[in-house]
Amino acid sequence: SQQGEEDPQALSIQEGENATMNCSYKTSINNLQWYRQNSGRGLVHLILIRSNEREKHSGRLRVTLDTSKKSSSLLITASRAADTASYFCATDYDFGKGTKLTVNP
Amino acid sequence: GAVVSQHPSWVICKSGTSVKIECRSLDFQATTMFWYRQFPKQSLMLMATSNEGSKATYEQGVEKDKFLINHASLTLSTLTVTSAHPEDSSFYICSAQGSGANVLTFGAGSRLTVL
Repeated sequence: SQQGEEDPQALSIQEGENATMNCSYKTSINNLQWYRQNSGRGLVHLILIRSNEREKHSGRLRVTLDTSKKSSSLLITASRAADTASYFCATDYDFGKGTKLTVNP
Repeated sequence: GAVVSQHPSWVICKSGTSVKIECRSLDFQATTMFWYRQFPKQSLMLMATSNEGSKATYEQGVEKDKFLINHASLTLSTLTVTSAHPEDSSFYICSAQGSGANVLTFGAGSRLTVL
C-alpha cells in the first residue's frame, strides 16, 4: 500500500525561489521521512521527523508534520538548480508517488 | 555514514534467463533489507522485506517464485529475477536498515532490461 501521497506531482520554479511539497498519509505513524531521488538513481535520505515533533530543520530544508491532519510538508529555501530531483515522503516503508521538482537556472 | 552497494547497476538479458542483483551493506550490519521496484515516473513499490536468516516476506501481488530473495548474511541480500520477461524490465532498488535504526539506506539501483 502507498500511504504517502505528495502534491504537487510536478513543480517548476526559478533558482532562488522556495519550493514547498506536501504529503498526506492515511494511518498513524511513528515517523515520517523525506527522500530525494536524482533521475535513475537510488534514494537519499533527507530528513526524519518523529510523530511527536512538529517541525524540523536541516540546512535549507524545513519539514513540518501535522498529525491531526495526517500531513507533512517539505520546504526547500533558496533553491538551486542542483535541487532538481524527485522528492518522496515515506511512512514506515511505504512511499508516496513523489514530487518532481525542476529548478531552472 | 551508512553505505549500501548494489550491483550490477544495469543489466541487459535475453528473455527466459535469470538475473541476480546483489545488495550489500558496506559498513553496518543490515538486519532488514527491502527490495523495491520502480516503473518510469512512478514511486517505489515495495516488493519484499527480508530479515537475515529467514524467508522474505512478499507484498501482495509479488510472485515469490519469480523474484527469489536471499538474505544469507547481515551484509548481503540478493534478488534473483527468474525466467525474466520483457515486462520484468524495471528499476530495482534495495535498501537496508540496521538494528534499531529508523532510516533506510538505499542502494543506487539496478536497471534491468529484458529483451
